[in-house]
Amino acid sequence: EAGVTQFPSHSVIEKGQTVTLRCDPISGHDNLYWYRRVMGKEIKFLLHFVKESKQDESGMPNNRFLAERTGGTYSTLKVQPAELEDSGVYFCASSQDGRRGGRLPDTQYFGPGTRLTVL
Amino acid sequence: QKEVEQDPGPLSVPEGAIVSLNCTYSNSAFQYFMWYRQYSRKGPELLMYTYSSGNKEDGRFTAQVDKSSKYISLFIRDSQPSDSATYLCAMTSGGADGLTFGKGTHLIIQP
Repeated sequence: EAGVTQFPSHSVIEKGQTVTLRCDPISGHDNLYWYRRVMGKEIKFLLHFVKESKQDESGMPNNRFLAERTGGTYSTLKVQPAELEDSGVYFCASSQDGRRGGRLPDTQYFGPGTRLTVL
Repeated sequence: QKEVEQDPGPLSVPEGAIVSLNCTYSNSAFQYFMWYRQYSRKGPELLMYTYSSGNKEDGRFTAQVDKSSKYISLFIRDSQPSDSATYLCAMTSGGADGLTFGKGTHLIIQP
């Protein structure tokens, strides 16, 4: 079974440009998460999709970030316009919804991340 | 005060030693505690997960949670060079919520 995949693995752009990151979750996983790790800091939660709906976007830093999940399959995270402080590694994770309505956490499987450098 | 505190290291120990990694947290709503392992240029991989206070053992790995002290630990017995990685603690109040991570501890096992 294929794991979570992310594209591109590395992106270098200039301040003010637009970048779109893509995540393909494990097939059949309803939950999809985006996280970000800025250098020297901890991995921080950005947002959570259940199928195509945004369940929680409390971690999104500002309105320059736009996440979509078309048809409940892959997801994109667009940064427009990019700023220097957006540099970091963006991780995507997915999980099954094995206990609907329950409180046991579903294992989140992480992708390898996209390393974004804004110059 | 950060929600989760974790010493980033590096922590360097000789092969075969017992390794102790730990995190403290401030949010009493956290009920589920995880340890992830991350190799360079890879994504985090779940190692252990425990619910509330107590111990859980899996092979050479033991996870401990003390909710009264808001303190969690991961012990690695008979450490191997292949255990060299960054170990991240993570926690959540449950369900499908996003995880709250510590910074991660960079562990080096010397052959």
